[in-house]
This record gives sequence, C-alpha cells and structure tokens, in this order.
Amino acid sequence: DGGITQSPKYLFRKEGQNVTLSCEQNLNHDAMYWYRQDPGQGLRLIYYSQIVNDFQKGDIAEGYSVSREKKESFPLTVTSAQKNPTAFYLCASSTGGDTQYFGPGTRLTVL
Amino acid sequence: GENVEQHPSTLSVQEGDSAVIKCTYSDSASNYFPWYKQELGKGPQLIIDIRSNVGEKKDQRIAVTLNKTAKHFSLHITETQPEDSAVYFCAASMGTGFQKLVFGTGTRLLVSP
Repeated sequence: DGGITQSPKYLFRKEGQNVTLSCEQNLNHDAMYWYRQDPGQGLRLIYYSQIVNDFQKGDIAEGYSVSREKKESFPLTVTSAQKNPTAFYLCASSTGGDTQYFGPGTRLTVL
Repeated sequence: GENVEQHPSTLSVQEGDSAVIKCTYSDSASNYFPWYKQELGKGPQLIIDIRSNVGEKKDQRIAVTLNKTAKHFSLHITETQPEDSAVYFCAASMGTGFQKLVFGTGTRLLVSP
C-alpha cells in the first residue's frame, strides 16, 4: 500500500513537555509538509521540506521543530515553547510544489 | 499577505440538489487550485484540481470553474448525496519557484436525505 502514515492517532501532553509526531511516506515524494488545523479554521503551514536535509519555516513555525534525515520521514516536535499546542496536526507530501496528499492526522491534546 | 477567502462557511442542501462553494484568491501569479474533502477526524482528500490554463474541469458529479481575471474559482457538486456531507477546502498556489498552498477556511456541507 502506498501512502502517508502518521502516528500516533491521539497524543496527550502535559504542560512543559516536548512531544514528537511521526510522519512517514512511501510515495517517493521529495517534498513534505506539516500543517496545523484548529476547529473551524483552515490549514496553516508550520514547516515544509523540499528535499532531504533541508527545511523551511512556514507561517506558524514558532514553538515547533522538524528534521528531514530521510526522504521517507519528516517528524515534527512540538516544544514546550508552543503556547497553545492543542490541535489536529496534518502531514502531507508532494512530488513538487503543487499536488499535496495528506496523512490521516494526529490529534494532540495538552492536559 | 496572500490569502484565500471561501464562502459560505456552512451549506445545507436536500439530497439531489446542487451545491456551489466559492473561493477568491489574492495572488495573481497563482496557477494551481485544488479542492479537498475532509471527513470528521480524517485527513483531507484531494477531489479535483484545476490549473490556470484551463477554465473548467469536470469529474462525474464534481466540476471546478476558474475565472483568472476575477481571481475566483468555484466547486460545483450536482445530484448531491448524503455521503457528500463533509468539510470542503479550496486552496491556491502561492509564491515563485517552489510554490506552497494557501487554504481557505472551509465549507461544511450537509446533505439531508
């Protein structure tokens, strides 16, 4: 099966903790993205990576970090500096800069 | 900054009716316009897309139209079915070189039997 997988599906974090969300794709896509979705809002870009070992900040990168050591993987760390991390996080990938395909998402809740 | 406005935010129709969702974008250089369907608790799924060299594209009950002069594009769903109920997002490519997508705020479509 080709596609994008995200884990875990649900994640609970205590205040002050860092947590890492996993995103893996076997579509052989060069580009990968992380978005945040809040209730009733659109998708906002956190970070994106055009190629392995390279990534750029999106519109709301503060409090987040990423790495891209392998083509298939683009993990997102939500740090304690992110003041309001409760949200639905979506990972996507594409062959270039246009058609993006999304994973199933991770719902993060801060306790 | 660059943005995409989407209307309406909610849309209720009877089964069999048509539904139209409209988006307006700000960047005249945008050349790619996808539409996504998102069911509750799931990731968005691409349902149709259009590029700037085409004015209209159709796929069975779904069609998208693009007016580059007015910077408008619309999603048309005919013969709606209850399983069409979901949140629909439009997006537009932005930037030069490696283009990113900017998303609208979504339309919740409810199709009643």
